[in-house]
Amino acid sequence: DAGVIQSPRHEVTEMGQEVTLRCKPISGHNSLFWYRQTMMRGLELLIYFNNNVPIDDSGMPEDRFSAKMPNASFSTLKIQPSEPRDSAVYFCASSFIRTGGGNVLTFGAGSRLTVL
Amino acid sequence: QKEVEQDPGPLSVPEGAIVSLNCTYSNSAFQYFMWYRQYSRKGPELLMYTYSSGNKEDGRFTAQVDKSSKYISLFIRDSQPSDSATYLCAMSPPGFQKLVFGTGTRLLVSP
Repeated sequence: DAGVIQSPRHEVTEMGQEVTLRCKPISGHNSLFWYRQTMMRGLELLIYFNNNVPIDDSGMPEDRFSAKMPNASFSTLKIQPSEPRDSAVYFCASSFIRTGGGNVLTFGAGSRLTVL
Repeated sequence: QKEVEQDPGPLSVPEGAIVSLNCTYSNSAFQYFMWYRQYSRKGPELLMYTYSSGNKEDGRFTAQVDKSSKYISLFIRDSQPSDSATYLCAMSPPGFQKLVFGTGTRLLVSP
């Protein structure tokens, strides 16, 4: 398995532009998570999906952020319009959730976003 | 107070040293405990996974959970320069999908 695949690996854009980050989870995993990592705040959970359905988006910072999972093998995180404070590394992670068990995440390599 | 506290470091040690990395937590419902290792410009990767209290060993790595003290540790024996990375603890109650992560401890092992 190729693991969790994210694209682009690096994105530099100007304030106000739309940014779309993409993620392909591990085949067979039933949950997908989007995280943001910064030096100041560490890893923050933005949103997660179970069986393609958004379960908890309480970590999404504001309406400029949106996420979709149209099928089991693809998810997007969109920022529109982007702002300099959105600069961070965005990670996608997937897992297979069993009822009552622990959640072991497999992370992608991340998408490093710089908003000028 | 944060739910999970972790010293950010950096922790600098010479090659061959025994390293101790630690996290404290406040939620007594946590039962699943994990350690992730993150190399620079890479995603976190699972290193150790334990349930409830006790020790778990895997090669040079030992994870220890003390639920009475709400304290978890990761020990690295015979540390190598390749162990230089950021180590993040993570934990959750049973059945919870949202992991609570520590902020990570940066470890530097010098040759």
